Amino acid sequence: DIVMTQSPDSLAVSLGERATINCKSSQSVLYISNNKHYLAWYQQKPGQPPRLLMYWASTRESGVPDRFSGSGSGTDFTLTISSLQAEDVAVYYCQQYFSPLITFGQGTRLEIK
Amino acid sequence: QVQLVQSGAEVKKPGASVTVSCRASGNTFAGYPIHWVRQAPGQGLEWMGMINPSGGGSTFAQRLQGRVTVTSDTSTGTVYMEIRSLRFEDTAVYYCTRGLILGYDGRNNPLTAFDFWGQGTLVTVSS
Repeated sequence: DIVMTQSPDSLAVSLGERATINCKSSQSVLYISNNKHYLAWYQQKPGQPPRLLMYWASTRESGVPDRFSGSGSGTDFTLTISSLQAEDVAVYYCQQYFSPLITFGQGTRLEIK
Repeated sequence: QVQLVQSGAEVKKPGASVTVSCRASGNTFAGYPIHWVRQAPGQGLEWMGMINPSGGGSTFAQRLQGRVTVTSDTSTGTVYMEIRSLRFEDTAVYYCTRGLILGYDGRNNPLTAFDFWGQGTLVTVSS
């Protein structure tokens, strides 16, 4: 199985500041045939199911604010929140769908400093 | 409006079985695989497996193979997930989620992210 490793495990950022969450896959999740990275990001708030934020590593799901952006290539990816808002407090997960045997990162807890 | 509505919380003893249902509204199943993801208390997300309701094909995480069965009833738009031989470590919130198909692998398995989720079902295994 592809192992997904996120860093850091937790992060505290001041309101209005940038938050950066990293995700590393144990093998490339790039499909050469279409040059797309099979990587998604989710946000989960307490007591709620996860919410899809991003797929293809950098394509925002409908309704996701543009302060959220995704980047990266090969095995290293980043989720960036450009200006942290109070409602962004949550746990964030990356997920690979390069393989039908899906795996998630362990999660990164984002809090307000 | 896509909605996935799951059955209610369950408390089971070790060694028992549990079935969690997931009913879709708005013809949600048409062409979409349904996956199951679980989350132990205070822990992260664990993918369990999936079913293609229209074709019936399924795929499971290796560590759960042999203990988990997923079936679908397209007439009612409901997917069922059964876990047998329950263990304490199966205590978790179980989510059904719709697969957003973003490609296919060499064996024509769908490659998906998850765009709609059920509300979650807490299964507690306790003696």
